[in-house]
Amino acid sequence: DIQMTQSPSTLSASVGDRVTITCRASQSISSWLAWYQQKPGKAPKLLIYKASSLESGVPSRFSGSESGTEFTLTISSLQPDDFATYYCQQYISYSFTFGQGTKLEI
Amino acid sequence: QVQLVQSGAEVKKPGASVTVSCKTSGYTFTSYYMHWVRQAPGQGLEWMGIINPSGGSTTYAQKFLGRVTMTRDTSTSTVYMELSSLRSEDTAMYYCARQSTVGGGTFDHWGQGTLVIVSS
Repeated sequence: DIQMTQSPSTLSASVGDRVTITCRASQSISSWLAWYQQKPGKAPKLLIYKASSLESGVPSRFSGSESGTEFTLTISSLQPDDFATYYCQQYISYSFTFGQGTKLEI
Repeated sequence: QVQLVQSGAEVKKPGASVTVSCKTSGYTFTSYYMHWVRQAPGQGLEWMGIINPSGGSTTYAQKFLGRVTMTRDTSTSTVYMELSSLRSEDTAMYYCARQSTVGGGTFDHWGQGTLVIVSS
């Protein structure tokens, strides 16, 4: 199975900060990478697909990029609603593996 | 609007089976693959498998082969996930998630989750 390694596991930040979360794939996944946001007690929400495409309705402060097998989620200016856990997910193969998550906290 | 409504929480004994349902509305049921994803308490997300509601074909994660069965009922636009031989490690929130047509193998709509507790 393809392994997805996220870093950091926890990130402390403040409203207005620019933050970056990284996800590294154990092998090439082309651009088949998604990012989700999950808040406590809620289902995940799709933010980004195909590494850099913004899901409809998602604020433009969220963006994604890629470089080889390394993928990045950037939030340009943190808002109070953004404090949550973020997961990456590969979907090149029928294992659909997720990263272990990054908890973004104040 | 698209809705995925799951069945209620379950408490099961080790060795038993559980069936979770996911009733859909607001879109053409047979046009979108459906996945099941689970999340143990305080842990990350784990993909379990996929069902094509049109023909009923399935693909399961290696980890769950032999223990999981996914089915669908097109008359009620509902998908089901049965997990057998339950053990304590199966205690988790189970989600159904619709596969996006725009985003490929991503999940654009999720059920609210069904908590399954396995305890003697």
